[in-house]
Amino acid sequence: AQSVAQPEDQVNVAEGNPLTVKCTYSVSGNPYLFWYVQYPNRGLQFLLKYITGDNLVKGSYGFEAEFNKSQTSFHLKKPSALVSDSALYFCAVREGYSSASKIIFGSGTRLSIRP
Amino acid sequence: GAVVSQHPSWVICKSGTSVKIECRSLDFQATTMFWYRQFPKQSLMLMATSNEGSKATYEQGVEKDKFLINHASLTLSTLTVTSAHPEDSSFYICSPTGGTEAFFGQGTRLTVV
Repeated sequence: AQSVAQPEDQVNVAEGNPLTVKCTYSVSGNPYLFWYVQYPNRGLQFLLKYITGDNLVKGSYGFEAEFNKSQTSFHLKKPSALVSDSALYFCAVREGYSSASKIIFGSGTRLSIRP
Repeated sequence: GAVVSQHPSWVICKSGTSVKIECRSLDFQATTMFWYRQFPKQSLMLMATSNEGSKATYEQGVEKDKFLINHASLTLSTLTVTSAHPEDSSFYICSPTGGTEAFFGQGTRLTVV
């Protein structure tokens, strides 16, 4: 069965510093990995995805993620954090390639950026 | 990205009444619709999956008679919480998909009093 783990409940970073939000995955086949961000009382916004190709994936708002097959990780990164990046971040894995494939979410990591 | 409209964004209802939540994909056809429930400070829990014109498939532990899902067209799905109780209070999110990427509604905060 597919699973995703986000080991950190909360990450605190000073504005302007680089940030990393960790994610590891477990899949039986090819991984289809995603990062989403959620602001209070809102739905999820898509940040980026890895399907195939380059291990470094660039997404919205300056975020990027690195797919590491040997470590089964897909950590989210940003070179310089903004206070507005403070939100709840979810890593997710999709069980297959079709639109009917379920998405399994990690437990979420709350990112807090202090001025 | 795709535009998803979920209504209402919040609703307060009395115990025993029913509440209908609508989810529309405005600029794409959603062959599959996922409905999630999210408790405070927790992740999204998949409730059910529906395909247009077919009956929904519910996850284990989700009562199909309580959470009625209708996916009558490729652009509209509804979730009806029947005979709502306070424990049904939660944040409900729809996710229509038409490809490899999933899109999400803005969520509905349901409070049952």
